Amino acid sequence: KAGVTQTPRYLIKTRGQQVTLSCSPISGHRSVSWYQQTPGQGLQFLFEYFSETQRNKGNFPGRFSGRQFSNSRSEMNVSTLELGDSALYLCASSADRGNSPLHFGNGTRLTVT
Amino acid sequence: DAKTTQPTSMDCAEGRAANLPCNHSTISGNEYVYWYRQIHSQGPQYIIHGLKNNETNEMASLIITEDRKSSTLILPHATLRDTAVYYCIVRPYSGGGADGLTFGKGTHLIIQP
Repeated sequence: KAGVTQTPRYLIKTRGQQVTLSCSPISGHRSVSWYQQTPGQGLQFLFEYFSETQRNKGNFPGRFSGRQFSNSRSEMNVSTLELGDSALYLCASSADRGNSPLHFGNGTRLTVT
Repeated sequence: DAKTTQPTSMDCAEGRAANLPCNHSTISGNEYVYWYRQIHSQGPQYIIHGLKNNETNEMASLIITEDRKSSTLILPHATLRDTAVYYCIVRPYSGGGADGLTFGKGTHLIIQP
């Protein structure tokens, strides 16, 4: 079974631009969640989607948004990029059972200059 | 805030068992203990999880104390490839999906040749 796939692997953007990151979950997984990882703050939850609906949301500004498609693939968008948005963005998928583990992709490394 | 406490770092000799402790003294009755590890520049990798019984899979064993206030992850025969940051997480049975996992700082396990 293929794992969680995130594209692109690396991205360099300029302050003020916007960016879209993509995530393909494990086949059959309908829950997709997004995390931001930085050396200072560690892993922080952004949001979770299930059946094309945002089910949970972390404490991030509205510049961070996402969506999920009918095939469970998900995208996240960051608008008006700031230097502090430089981070590893991780996507995770899980089967929709209460104690199902999350399976993470290898992330997109975003650098904002 | 993370609900778990782990040592910042640990060393283990290659071929020996690595025992990683985790305190979760405020764990609730419906919360599972999950372990993940993260190798530099990769996404967190799921290892194992449990509620109150000891668990074993092809990667590791999880020992949970009877009062469930602490647990130990055991890698039976550590190899150099086991060098990583190990995260212990508590997560409630949510009925499905991701509800914003809280990752602490984890334990940096270094396997010595």
